[in-house]
Amino acid sequence: EDQVTQSPEALRLQEGESSSLNCSYTVSGLRGLFWYRQDPGKGPEFLFTLYSAGEEKEKERLKATLTKKESFLHITAPKPEDSATYLCAVQATGTASKLTFGTGTRLQVTL
Amino acid sequence: KAGVTQTPRYLIKTRGQQVTLSCSPISGHRSVSWYQQTPGQGLQFLFEYFSETQRNKGNFPGRFSGRQFSNSRSEMNVSTLELGDSALYLCASSQDGLNTEAFFGQGTRLTVV
Repeated sequence: EDQVTQSPEALRLQEGESSSLNCSYTVSGLRGLFWYRQDPGKGPEFLFTLYSAGEEKEKERLKATLTKKESFLHITAPKPEDSATYLCAVQATGTASKLTFGTGTRLQVTL
Repeated sequence: KAGVTQTPRYLIKTRGQQVTLSCSPISGHRSVSWYQQTPGQGLQFLFEYFSETQRNKGNFPGRFSGRQFSNSRSEMNVSTLELGDSALYLCASSQDGLNTEAFFGQGTRLTVV
């Protein structure tokens, strides 16, 4: 069974204090690994898709990386508007569009 | 380009009733997936429809069902509601569901009393 574990559950950073979020996964065959951002009361917002180990993608202050067992979401010099829950999900080969999600990391960035 | 639209945004139902939720995907997207989100379980996959056919199904009881129309719009139905069905129901659309990004709607907040 596909599994995704995210750590930490919650993270509090000061503005400008860089950090990384971890997503460990177990999947029979990886079709893709997805990162989403979710604000309270809203649907998840797509950030990145990673397909193979060694791949990296960047968007503003966020950078996602992928290995064969885990993915990291690096947040450089975060701002208060980066506060949200960050969700990681995997899509396995042979499961069409089903995404298996982790429970997320709640990030709070303070001034 | 319009995003994924879910209606209604909020619903309050009584135990034993049934409910129908609607999802209009992004224009051109043929795959629609449904997820249930609760504080304890996170996001859990319900089912996926592609070209009016259910292509994948999660581990939910038969009270949860869905369908997709020829214009790719999808509906989800929950019969004989239970208190535990209270959740945020999210719909995601993608072009083909394979190797393409899934875009989520704002969700329907269902409360069962």
